[in-house]
Amino acid sequence: KQEVTQIPAALSVPEGENLVLNCSFTDSAIYNLQWFRQDPGKGLTSLLLIQSSQREQTSGRLNASLDKSSGRSTLYIAASQPGDSATYLCAAYNTDKLIFGTGTRLQVFP
Amino acid sequence: ETGVTQTPRHLVMGMTNKKSLKCEQHLGHNAMYWYKQSAKKPLELMFVYSLEERVENNSVPSRFSPECPNSSHLFLHLHTLQPEDSALYLCASSPRAQGEKLFFGSGTQLSVL
Repeated sequence: KQEVTQIPAALSVPEGENLVLNCSFTDSAIYNLQWFRQDPGKGLTSLLLIQSSQREQTSGRLNASLDKSSGRSTLYIAASQPGDSATYLCAAYNTDKLIFGTGTRLQVFP
Repeated sequence: ETGVTQTPRHLVMGMTNKKSLKCEQHLGHNAMYWYKQSAKKPLELMFVYSLEERVENNSVPSRFSPECPNSSHLFLHLHTLQPEDSALYLCASSPRAQGEKLFFGSGTQLSVL
């Protein structure tokens, strides 16, 4: 049974720092790995989707990597801004189901 | 705006009430989902519909009853809920129900008294 873990659970940093959020999964037979952002009381916004055959995906200041053999994905945020404050969730797609982690709550202060 | 609209945004109901959550997508997608998000727990998949046919029922209690009248609309009918059912209920859609990018609505925050 797939389990997805995200560390740290919460992170508070000053504006301008480069950040790495971690995601690990127990079953490496994934179809893809997805990263989402969730603002308080809101739905999820898809950030990046990495297919199992890919190693990384980039969108603006965001870069997500995937290492299936070690069961890890990282989300790199460059030059963080207060507007990046949100909860970031990763999710691994296995067979027919997307399994979510509990998220990393990020606070970027000016 | 993701193209997925959920109503109502907030709902408070007693344990004996019957209510319905509505989801509508304008993206031309063929798959729609209901997820439950409780505090400090991962999102839980409840139901998946593909081309209006239910393809996943993730051991959800019968007090939750989904309905998908067409590929653009999804309902979640609620009756005799328990306080532990209080959560954020999220609807999502994707082009197909096969691991593609999900588009979420803003959710309905449900409180059961």
